[in-house]
Order: sequence, then C-alpha cells, then structure tokens
Amino acid sequence: EPEVTQTPSHQVTQMGQEVILRCVPISNHLYFYWYRQILGQKVEFLVSFYNNEISEKSEIFDDQFSVERPDGSNFTLKIRSTKLEDSAMYFCASSGTNEAFFGQGTRLTVV
Amino acid sequence: AQSVTQLGSHVSVSEGALVLLRCNYSSSVPPYLFWYVQYPNQGLQLLLKYTSAATLVKGINGFEAEFKKSETSFHLTKPSAHMSDAAEYFCAVSDSGRDDKIIFGKGTRLHILP
Repeated sequence: EPEVTQTPSHQVTQMGQEVILRCVPISNHLYFYWYRQILGQKVEFLVSFYNNEISEKSEIFDDQFSVERPDGSNFTLKIRSTKLEDSAMYFCASSGTNEAFFGQGTRLTVV
Repeated sequence: AQSVTQLGSHVSVSEGALVLLRCNYSSSVPPYLFWYVQYPNQGLQLLLKYTSAATLVKGINGFEAEFKKSETSFHLTKPSAHMSDAAEYFCAVSDSGRDDKIIFGKGTRLHILP
C-alpha cells in the first residue's frame, strides 16, 4: 500500500539553527501539505502546495518557514532559524482524490 | 470559515461498552468530514470519511459515523469498545477533501476501562 514517508523521525536542534524536514509523498498525488501538532494540542494546518507553488498558508507559516519540491519526489519544510516554540510534531500529507494520506511525522525538538 | 468542535477532551468507557465521540461542524459549503485516530507516538490514520454519499459511514475497526445536516453533527460510534481503541481521535472538515486544507478539531482522548 502506498504511503507518505517522512524523515527523520526525530530531530533535535539548537535554537537559531536551520532545519529541513523531508517528506516523500505518494507518487501520483498532486497536492501536498504540512501540519504541525504541538505536544498535547490539536493538529494545525501550516501550508498547502500545488503545481509547484504554495496554494494556501496559515498565519503560523511566517517568513521563517518555506517549502520546496526540489526534485519531483521530495517535499521539504525548512525552518530558517528555529525557536523553542517550534518544537512539535510535523506531519506531511498528500492527496490525489478526496483523501489526504499522512506520514508518521517528524518530532522536532528545539533546545 | 470551516471549523469542527469536539465535545469532551477526554472520554472514558468500559471495555465492551458503547463508544460515542461527538463532533459538530461549521461550514459554508457542503463539507467533507473525517475522523482520524492517533495512537501514542504515531501518525494520523484515517478511520472514515463522509463525502456526500451515504450519510452513515462505516470505517475501520468497527467504527461508524452518521452525518446529520440538521444537527451539523458527525458523531463517531462503536458498539463495543476494545482496549486497543484507546487513542486520540480527531474530527476534521474540508471543503473538497482534495485540494483544500483539512481543519482539525482539538481531539478527544478515549480511555478504555477494564
């Protein structure tokens, strides 16, 4: 069964450092998303991506965040200068019909 | 704007008892509605979805949900709880389910009592 793959599963980084979270969406999907879940809280939408550009972003997705689809298979989320409050689980999702498939998540810990 | 409200951040039921997790939605257009489950330290798994076909939707693991437009509800039920059902459950809504973002509720943690 096709699945969305995220790497790494856990990343620890120092405050102020750049991090790149990677995702491999399901191969024939055209819509890609990043969501965030701070520990103990709900899952929040960050950004959606279609046709090589951002189609929508939330207010959480400020200038410190960027997304890219560098090679037609990977879909990355970059945080330029991490803050303590960026610590969360980050989920990638992709969709092709009327269902989004989520990856297992990357737990980002900023120290 | 779309939103979902889940009543009860924690629900406890005895093993074998009925599970009922409540969700009410708000949407300006006919919605697509979802229930996701998250087991500890794992990702989100789709339990079931409503996409304007049958109002009673059956999902995995014996769960089902009924879309009630008059009540703007999409409650999740299971006739008989199992210990393995202990998890966090999220109700979610989107306009089309495809290119639109999914908006999640705050989640309900289901505890199963032996």
